[in-house]
Amino acid sequence: DVKVTQSSRYLVKRTGEKVFLECVQDMDHENMFWYRQDPGLGLRLIYFSYDVKMKEKGDIPEGYSVSREKKERFSLILESASTNQTSMYLCASTINPGELFFGEGSRLTVL
Amino acid sequence: SQQGEEDPQALSIQEGENATMNCSYKTSINNLQWYRQNSGRGLVHLILIRSNEREKHSGRLRVTLDTSKKSSSLLITASRAADTASYFCVVGTSYGKLTFGQGTILTVHP
Repeated sequence: DVKVTQSSRYLVKRTGEKVFLECVQDMDHENMFWYRQDPGLGLRLIYFSYDVKMKEKGDIPEGYSVSREKKERFSLILESASTNQTSMYLCASTINPGELFFGEGSRLTVL
Repeated sequence: SQQGEEDPQALSIQEGENATMNCSYKTSINNLQWYRQNSGRGLVHLILIRSNEREKHSGRLRVTLDTSKKSSSLLITASRAADTASYFCVVGTSYGKLTFGQGTILTVHP
């Protein structure tokens, strides 16, 4: 079975802190994604990566950056967390084209 | 943005009725997928339809794709209370970018 593992299920951070969200997949998928999910807004794509060291902005990249140094790992970075980044963050991976496999999510609260 | 837009935003029906949800998008796609999410739970993949396909079936689900109209529909036949969930379409580009619509909230009353 495909496994996508997100490093933290729940985080509480202060405004201005730097936040790292890690995601690891074990199925050698080329494509990896970071989404955030907020009530009434569905899932919005922040960034995705189609290969090692390759990244592309999604619909809401402002305030975020990503890193993909190894194929299995895709990190989301909030350089300076703000309260409007309080959300559920979902990492996913897939072959192209194919079903998305999601991690369990990281619920971030920024105070 | 190539984000799919679902219509209606909310749908309420009785058990046994059919439910139809629509998705429109803006640019060329490689594939389109539908997912279901029960309240507070993870996303479940329902079906993937490629841009060269017009219709696909999976159990009680029927998906159509009209690339000339840039639209897709998901039909759930003989709905059940357990079908109550949010349904999302996801549009995929040739290079793998996948973007979600805002979803349709389906409520099936027993």
